[in-house]
Formats: sequence, C-alpha cells, structure tokens
Amino acid sequence: EAGVAQSPRYKIIEKRQSVAFWCNPISGHATLYWYQQILGQGPKLLIQFQNNGVVDDSQLPKDRFSAERLKGVDSTLKIQPAKLEDSAVYLCASSFLSGAFFGQGTRLTVV
Amino acid sequence: GEDVEQSLFLSVREGDSSVINCTYTDSSSTYLYWYKQEPGAGLQLLTYIFSNMDMKQDQRLTVLLNKKDKHLSLRIADTQTGDSAIYFCAAAPGTASKLTFGTGTRLQVTL
Repeated sequence: EAGVAQSPRYKIIEKRQSVAFWCNPISGHATLYWYQQILGQGPKLLIQFQNNGVVDDSQLPKDRFSAERLKGVDSTLKIQPAKLEDSAVYLCASSFLSGAFFGQGTRLTVV
Repeated sequence: GEDVEQSLFLSVREGDSSVINCTYTDSSSTYLYWYKQEPGAGLQLLTYIFSNMDMKQDQRLTVLLNKKDKHLSLRIADTQTGDSAIYFCAAAPGTASKLTFGTGTRLQVTL
C-alpha cells in the first residue's frame, strides 16, 4: 500500500514570497491533516479535512495560510506571504480509522 | 484543550529496556498513540491503545495506560541502536480526530 506522498521535500524562499505544498493521502482515507512542526517541538495541527470539508482550522493563521482539498483526495497548503517564523516542516497525514499516517514532510526555510 | 507532556531526553544502553513516559490532561482522550521520528523523516505510527485498555503488547513494545493519573508509557525491550530516535506521544478524543502531540522524547542508545 502506498503511503502519504508529499512534495516538494525541501523549499527555500525569501520572506514575503509565496509557497505551496502538495499532499496525496493514502487511497480511501477520508481524513486529511496538515501539521506544522517547528524544530524541537511536536507537530501542531493547522487544518483537518473530512473528505473535502474542513473539520478544524482553528490554529490556521488565515491571514497568510490557506488550504484546500478538492474532490476529497489531494490537498494543497499555501503560505502567502511567508514570514521567517514559518520556517518548519509541514507534515501531511491521512487517517481512516485509528491513528494517522504521515508523509515525509516538506522542510521550509524562509530567509 | 488537550495538553500532552513528555520528558525531553532518555539515554539507555543497548540491550536494556527503555521506558518513555507521557502525561495528558483531557480525560476525554480515548485514543493514545506512540510515534517514532528518525532524523529527516516523517512520523511512523508505532502502536496505540484505547482508553478501555490498561496494557497492550506488540513484539518488543509494551504500552501501559493509567487512566486515573492520565499517564501513558512506552516500554521498549532489548533496546537496539536502531531505536535511537524521537518518540512522540499523541492523544485524540476519537477515531479520525485531531491528534495533540507532546514535545517528544529523544532516545539515545549507547553501546
């Protein structure tokens, strides 16, 4: 069974630029999460989708972050404009019943 | 909201048992997970336990849950150098629900 796919693996941008991350969840998983992991910390939920609807986006900085999950499968997370403090690993995960399965993440560096 | 805490560091000798501890605050957390993260990688789901269980064993891994004290532990028997990683505890109120992570425990295995 293929795992959660994310791209790109690494991205370096200047502050105030925009960036987008892509995620393809495990086939059949209705729930998709985007987590932000800052160095030395545990992952923090940004947004959770159930199919193509948003379940929880309470921790998403909506003035600069946006996410969508068209057709209830792939998802895109965008940051515009990026700030230095957005430097982190962005993890996508999907879930069917118990537990969440994570992709390799995208390491974003904002300079 | 839920708050999950872990000690930051644990060092053990190869062949010894490791015990990683975690506490959580929300008694409605019914699903408790352990994840492993190796350098530059995503999170790997190791095991999980439901709140109606006290113990779960899976090969070298044993999870103990004390619901009264909201305390979770992960025991790794016969610890190997390949077990060196960061271990995250996570709590969720239900299946396909938001997971709240601790800050992670770095396990160092020495020869």
